[in-house]
Amino acid sequence: EIVLTQSPGTLSLSPGERATLSCRASQSVSSSSLAWYQQKPGQAPRLLIYGASSRATAIPDRFSGSGSGTDFTLTISRLEPEDFAVYYCQQYGSSLLTFGGGTKVEIK
Amino acid sequence: EVQLVQSGAEVKKPGESLRISCKGSGYSFSNYWIGWVRQMPGKGLEWMGIIYPGDSDTRYSPSFQGQVAISADKSISTAYLQWSSLKASDTAMYYCARLAGSFSWNGGNYFDYWGQGTLVTVSS
Repeated sequence: EIVLTQSPGTLSLSPGERATLSCRASQSVSSSSLAWYQQKPGQAPRLLIYGASSRATAIPDRFSGSGSGTDFTLTISRLEPEDFAVYYCQQYGSSLLTFGGGTKVEIK
Repeated sequence: EVQLVQSGAEVKKPGESLRISCKGSGYSFSNYWIGWVRQMPGKGLEWMGIIYPGDSDTRYSPSFQGQVAISADKSISTAYLQWSSLKASDTAMYYCARLAGSFSWNGGNYFDYWGQGTLVTVSS
């Protein structure tokens, strides 16, 4: 089973700053099978990025994804107040889906 | 508009059985995998399993195999998650979600639509 490790656990930033979130896989992951989600308190997760770098419908272009192999990154270029949330990466491999443990982006 | 609507919150006692539901609309329910995801209080997302309503092909995470049962009734566009004997540790929010792809190496293995969640509380 592929394990996804997200870092940091918590990121404390101010609105307008750049956020860089990491997702590292225990073995190589197909880029087509790496996704990112945003979850706000009391809400269901929302798809942000699929295929490692493609934005989902209606996702602002300040969100971008990159990476390949075992290292993937979600970047938020300029944090807006509504971006403070928890972010999860997710992958598919060997007929299993796994999520990372999440990164909380909080207001500094 | 694609929608997944889940059944309401449940409060149960240890040892009781439970089935929660997820009704899809706005798309061809039979042709998309539906997954279930657990979120324990204050914790992250855990994939439990997935079902293809068209033929009821079902796969489970090793962590949940034997602990829950996933089923679907394509005639009413509804997927289910079932427990035969609940434990206090089953207390969590449970989400259903539609998989965009074919649950194979062909890609699209991400959840593009999510239900609103069903909170299950197990307490004596």
